[in-house]
Amino acid sequence: DTAVSQTPKYLVTQMGNDKSIKCEQNLGHDTMYWYKQDSKKFLKIMFSYNNKELIINETVPNRFSPKSPDKAHLNLHINSLELGDSAVYFCASSLQAEQYFGPGTRLTVT
Amino acid sequence: SQQGEEDPQALSIQEGENATMNCSYKTSINNLQWYRQNSGRGLVHLILIRSNEREKHSGRLRVTLDTSKKSSSLLITASRAADTASYFCAFGPYTGTASKLTFGTGTRLQVTL
Repeated sequence: DTAVSQTPKYLVTQMGNDKSIKCEQNLGHDTMYWYKQDSKKFLKIMFSYNNKELIINETVPNRFSPKSPDKAHLNLHINSLELGDSAVYFCASSLQAEQYFGPGTRLTVT
Repeated sequence: SQQGEEDPQALSIQEGENATMNCSYKTSINNLQWYRQNSGRGLVHLILIRSNEREKHSGRLRVTLDTSKKSSSLLITASRAADTASYFCAFGPYTGTASKLTFGTGTRLQVTL
């Protein structure tokens, strides 16, 4: 069974569009995260939620809005997409310090 | 930058050899973790070492931590082709609720037959 899943796996869209990425975990973890990995493989945390409450909010443009309907789901909505948003976005979850990552969503903005 | 620095950036070895990669960081930590990322995949947690530990083993993995030098190393013994991947160190405060991890720049390991 998949532990942390993301949809879609690939997303190609044009500048200015709005898109969402969904994440679900079946590990029973309380905390979920969004990360962005750029073309140089640099991985940076964006947000974290614990039991539906936002607890980490890094310096991310407010075009990015996370939403956690319940502790097993954390979605990422991006408004007015820009070329620089092209990256791989990873969702992760944790119970303690170790984090469990999803397979990633490759976003390409043209 | 608070980002961890890893070296080497890339490492190519033959199957059966050992691979060592190093991580340096600048902040105080309470633990340091190592993750593996296969091409096109998500990261997989390998091992966590706490700040009061100097060495930890897990299977063919050996991790050391020197908090005075703010550095860690990951040793993979008797490497296999399946070990080909990128390896990242990660560190950050664990609050009891979440880990705000900062990742290193990564080491790309290629193991050839």
